[in-house]
Amino acid sequence: NAGVTQTPKFQVLKTGQSMTLQCAQDMNHEYMSWYRQDPGMGLRLIHYSVGAGITDQGEVPNGYNVSRSTTEDFPLRLLSAAPSQTSVYFCASTGWWGENTEAFFGQGTRLTVV
Amino acid sequence: SQQGEEDPQALSIQEGENATMNCSYKTSINNLQWYRQNSGRGLVHLILIRSNEREKHSGRLRVTLDTSKKSSSLLITASRAADTASYFCATDWYSGGGADGLTFGKGTHLIIQP
Repeated sequence: NAGVTQTPKFQVLKTGQSMTLQCAQDMNHEYMSWYRQDPGMGLRLIHYSVGAGITDQGEVPNGYNVSRSTTEDFPLRLLSAAPSQTSVYFCASTGWWGENTEAFFGQGTRLTVV
Repeated sequence: SQQGEEDPQALSIQEGENATMNCSYKTSINNLQWYRQNSGRGLVHLILIRSNEREKHSGRLRVTLDTSKKSSSLLITASRAADTASYFCATDWYSGGGADGLTFGKGTHLIIQP
């Protein structure tokens, strides 16, 4: 019973490098989302998806891309990493947005951009 | 911008005492959720209270909601060392239409002293 799995757990990037943070869920959830958490801050929504083939921007989308080709996977791409993207990233899934159901979170990816 | 704001930012109590933390929010909500985050881990859902509910219980947790004051409180009774964590309230994040995600406060860091 894996739930939401994020990889990698830790990553160090140089400014300008690109990378993809992976997120997979095995609960057949339609809704998936990415958040970032900065020190002393709550989580802020980056991008979300209400189903395969559908993505949309959240509160802080700049510098990030997403795609949703399958129900299970929702990768987050940093095309050209910047120090301001140093953060802890969390992926979450929910059964179906609108049913007021709880969000299940992955364990996070701690990203440092130098 | 973040909708919810927890108070206090930090709380230290003795094991066995009750812990109360509060959340204030700005706009109308469909529901309010509370999450716990242990150090370095993902968030775990604790309880959800709908906008037409005033109080809800789950084990040692008691949540109240006052929509007229736009506030909620989380009470943890008979605290244990394992309750040491950060606690976040979450409400709907609106993209301009319907609710499309969650927005989190900065959290209350709770420390239970043995």
